Amino acid sequence: QKEVEQDPGPLSVPEGAIVSLNCTYSNSAFQYFMWYRQYSRKGPELLMYTYSSGNKEDGRFTAQVDKSSKYISLFIRDSQPSDSATYLCAMTESGGSNYKLTFGKGTLLTVNP
Amino acid sequence: SQTIHQWPATLVQPVGSPLSLECTVEGTSNPNLYWYRQAAGRGLQLLFYSIGIDQISSEVPQNLSASRPQDRQFILSSKKLLLSDSGFYLCAWRPHRGTPQGTNEQFFGPGTRLTVL
Repeated sequence: QKEVEQDPGPLSVPEGAIVSLNCTYSNSAFQYFMWYRQYSRKGPELLMYTYSSGNKEDGRFTAQVDKSSKYISLFIRDSQPSDSATYLCAMTESGGSNYKLTFGKGTLLTVNP
Repeated sequence: SQTIHQWPATLVQPVGSPLSLECTVEGTSNPNLYWYRQAAGRGLQLLFYSIGIDQISSEVPQNLSASRPQDRQFILSSKKLLLSDSGFYLCAWRPHRGTPQGTNEQFFGPGTRLTVL
């Protein structure tokens, strides 16, 4: 079993739809969870960052973490064509000398006008 | 504010030629620095990370090497490129632990697209 599993898609939705992107993981020590957005031929940009379980909202984006199920989600409300990108989840343990992130392979999202 | 630069943006090199990719970070001190390669369908592969000058850890044994001659400069090199070295190379930085910004997010540069022919 891979440490982080993410459905690669592609996912195609109409403009205005609610999008749900998900990752599952196996390492119960993961404490920090991130979502990155990557446009074609560009570097990933940090979209959302959460610590431990719970929800975090930023505009049209909501990140959820359920540590008991080892499951994280990113919801995009009122999706726009400009949201078309690859979304990468990432996570890491806390403390110590662990400087590394473990990434999912990314989900390709297309929002159609 | 902090910025990260990578160059060149694109590169086409013949098999067996040398490689040098450069990454610099501005606006922060003693960052952790990372080199990743992204190939289609394979996600982000961590190649090297560095927690300080001349402190570099290799994640994947291969014909690539990394150096950090200055605090905010990270270089990825190869003496002889292989076809399999083609990909999108990304540099990233993270605030050093213990600073007010000491968190775990990494911030990526714009990337270098390398094609080995």
